Amino acid sequence: SQQGEEDPQALSIQEGENATMNCSYKTSINNLQWYRQNSGRGLVHLILIRSNEREKHSGRLRVTLDTSKKSSSLLITASRAADTASYFCATVIANNLFFGTGTRLTVIP
Amino acid sequence: EAGVAQSPRYKIIEKRQSVAFWCNPISGHATLYWYQQILGQGPKLLIQFQNNGVVDDSQLPKDRFSAERLKGVDSTLKIQPAKLEDSAVYLCASSSPPGQRPYEQYFGPGTRLTVT
Repeated sequence: SQQGEEDPQALSIQEGENATMNCSYKTSINNLQWYRQNSGRGLVHLILIRSNEREKHSGRLRVTLDTSKKSSSLLITASRAADTASYFCATVIANNLFFGTGTRLTVIP
Repeated sequence: EAGVAQSPRYKIIEKRQSVAFWCNPISGHATLYWYQQILGQGPKLLIQFQNNGVVDDSQLPKDRFSAERLKGVDSTLKIQPAKLEDSAVYLCASSSPPGQRPYEQYFGPGTRLTVT
């Protein structure tokens, strides 16, 4: 399978805490993306990290990529209740996205 | 800019019936994708169009699923006949041509299909 696998499957934290989600994948990639999905806004692109990058920041998001371990992590700092959603990593191979099963994040106010 | 539009948002049908979903991508986006997302899983690509041509339909169950993109804009996805395991959310996405942020896909709200 070319899907990524997220870990943990579910995560519950208090508002203000940091949340870390991990993704492992199996094949060589062009880049890796993280998406967020909630009932209000559907599936939304968060951040893209290219295969030659090791770390990338966007606001409260920090993504790392270790191609030798075929793994990535998404860190959300100072979480907010509005961050409650499912988070998916997606590997990009030949312009196609292959999604993992997702991490369900709940931020408790 | 307007986002990806999909309709209907919800559909309930009985098994062996037919159903069709419609998608209107972001204006100017040449690439259009249909995904199937079963509850508790990530989206799975069914078919990719570049303009009105099929680029990849390797994951499309062609015995019951069909899709078309006439005139390279709107697209329809059809299931005939539906099975219970087709219950899922069907997502449409579009992206710009290569060279213009090619890897970011914009998703519509999805159509939630329930087959009883």
